[in-house]
Amino acid sequence: DAGVTQSPTHLIKTRGQQVTLRCSPKSGHDTVSWYQQALGQGPQFIFQYYEEEERQRGNFPDRFSGHQFPNYSSELNVNALLLGDSALYLCASSLVGQGGNQPQHFGDGTRLSIL
Amino acid sequence: AQSVTQLGSHVSVSEGALVLLRCNYSSSVPPYLFWYVQYPNQGLQLLLKYTTGATLVKGINGFEAEFKKSETSFHLTKPSAHMSDAAEYFCAVHNTDKLIFGTGTRLQVFP
Repeated sequence: DAGVTQSPTHLIKTRGQQVTLRCSPKSGHDTVSWYQQALGQGPQFIFQYYEEEERQRGNFPDRFSGHQFPNYSSELNVNALLLGDSALYLCASSLVGQGGNQPQHFGDGTRLSIL
Repeated sequence: AQSVTQLGSHVSVSEGALVLLRCNYSSSVPPYLFWYVQYPNQGLQLLLKYTTGATLVKGINGFEAEFKKSETSFHLTKPSAHMSDAAEYFCAVHNTDKLIFGTGTRLQVFP
């Protein structure tokens, strides 16, 4: 049973560029959440997708956008990259409606470095 | 708003010693609380969770945590530290299908 998979593992970009990160949820899960983890910090919630729509969003600018596909996989897009966007981006999957009874399962993340 | 506070960004213990990582929460409703562990260059792995019921929760790798409503705490403990426990530990509270994390505690274990 495959867990949450993310690609790529590492990525190096320069300021002003655009990036796309990908995530496949754990089998049986239908909801994907994205988190940003800056160095030395805890993960911060970016947004969550369910039924191909953004369900809720954290305090991140519109440069951060996403998409969910019919097979429940998801993409995170970041435009006009800033140095401050350097971080580990984590994808988590879960099953809608389970609330806190079912914990989110995390992938190993994509390490994004902005030069 | 719900939040968690982890006291101590770094904790160092000797192998075989007690591990105590502190977490306090703020919540206007009964919280769902979690502890996750992060090893270098990896994602987050669930150690244990508290939803309702028994206040002493046992997790993987010999860890446990006790939910204390009167103290708004959910501290993580392990009776005897192992070298393999060295990692970053995050406390989190569930809020409308998303997690709110603390800033983390780095655990170092010395031989």
